[in-house]
Amino acid sequence: DAGVIQSPRHEVTEMGQEVTLRCKPISGHDYLFWYRQTMMRGLELLIYFNNNVPIDDSGMPEDRFSAKMPNASFSNLKIQPSEPRDSAVYFCASSLRDLYGYTFGSGTRLTVV
Amino acid sequence: GQSLEQPSEVTAVEGAIVQINCTYQTSGFYGLSWYQQHDGGAPTFLSYNALDGLEETGRFSSFLSRSDSYGYLLLQELQMKDSASYFCAVERNTPLVFGKGTRLSVIA
Repeated sequence: DAGVIQSPRHEVTEMGQEVTLRCKPISGHDYLFWYRQTMMRGLELLIYFNNNVPIDDSGMPEDRFSAKMPNASFSNLKIQPSEPRDSAVYFCASSLRDLYGYTFGSGTRLTVV
Repeated sequence: GQSLEQPSEVTAVEGAIVQINCTYQTSGFYGLSWYQQHDGGAPTFLSYNALDGLEETGRFSSFLSRSDSYGYLLLQELQMKDSASYFCAVERNTPLVFGKGTRLSVIA
């Protein structure tokens, strides 16, 4: 298995632009998580899905953030409009209910200037 | 809510043993996990403790005391490649809640 695949690896965008981050979970995993990592706040959960259904999006900082999982093999996280304070590394992770341990993707380093 | 406390930085000598502690406060506790993250990399799963006691996996061991809400990660025979950040994470159904991480520097 290729693991959790995220794209792009790096994204630099101007303030106000729309940003879309993509994730392909491990086949067969029924949970998908979006985390954001910054030096100040560490790893924060943004939203997670179970069987493609959003379960908890209370970590999404503002209405500017949205996430979807249209099928079991794809999820995206959108930020519109982006702001400099959104600069962070965004990780996608997947897991199987009966197996402990999350598998993280390589992350997307987002810089908003 | 939940909170986890772990030291922000630890330095140890190559070949030595180092212990990284983690205390937590949470409801509905299932277990404690540990993850390793190298600079620029993704967190990778190291170990999981659901029951009290020590779990050993090669040079790494993890311990849990549920009554004390405390756990630790023990790294033996330290190698330079062990320099990384180590996160404890509370498993309380879903999803994982991570501590802020401990940056381990291994020096010669």
